[in-house]
Amino acid sequence: RKEVEQDPGPFNVPEGATVAFNCTYSNSASQSFFWYRQDCRKEPKLLMSVYSSGNEDGRFTAQLNRASQYISLLIRDSKLSDSATYLCVVNTGLGGWGKLQFGAGTQVVVTP
Amino acid sequence: NAGVTQTPKFQVLKTGQSMTLQCAQDMNHEYMSWYRQDPGMGLRLIHYSVGAGITDQGEVPNGYNVSRSTTEDFPLRLLSAAPSQTSVYFCASSYSGEAFFGQGTRLTVV
Repeated sequence: RKEVEQDPGPFNVPEGATVAFNCTYSNSASQSFFWYRQDCRKEPKLLMSVYSSGNEDGRFTAQLNRASQYISLLIRDSKLSDSATYLCVVNTGLGGWGKLQFGAGTQVVVTP
Repeated sequence: NAGVTQTPKFQVLKTGQSMTLQCAQDMNHEYMSWYRQDPGMGLRLIHYSVGAGITDQGEVPNGYNVSRSTTEDFPLRLLSAAPSQTSVYFCASSYSGEAFFGQGTRLTVV
């Protein structure tokens, strides 16, 4: 079983709509959680951290459910520029910040 | 501010050849890592370092060596290239949870 699992999609979303997707992680000792964004053939970049209380950054909302071991990302009012692959990232704390666990990514395609 | 500089961007190797992927960061981060990314697999950790002189294996270390003689540099060596090492390689440096990636190296082994 993979440490971090994501629905690969693609999620085809009309412009202006809302899309949400989850990521599950297997290690209950995981300490930190993040969403990264990766554009086609580019390097991943941090989108947002995920806090226990849930957090929002503009149109993006991330939530953590420790009991069920999943995190979620919701994108409101989708823009064409939101088309990308969203990577769920988990850090167990072992190996410090150098040992991040990446999911395979969820592809989002926003259509006009 | 350069961030993470990774070279080369593209490389074609013949089976059995060796090469070094270079990675340098100018952010004074202690943590540096090498990942490979294959379709449907996500990024998999090859080796990582928690500081100069300290390295450790990740999930897929076989066929690769690393060293960390300075805080800035973290080269990845392919000892004897195999077709299974065809992939996109990313170097990253990390601080407090945020990983900064190089632009990647697209490596093809024929």
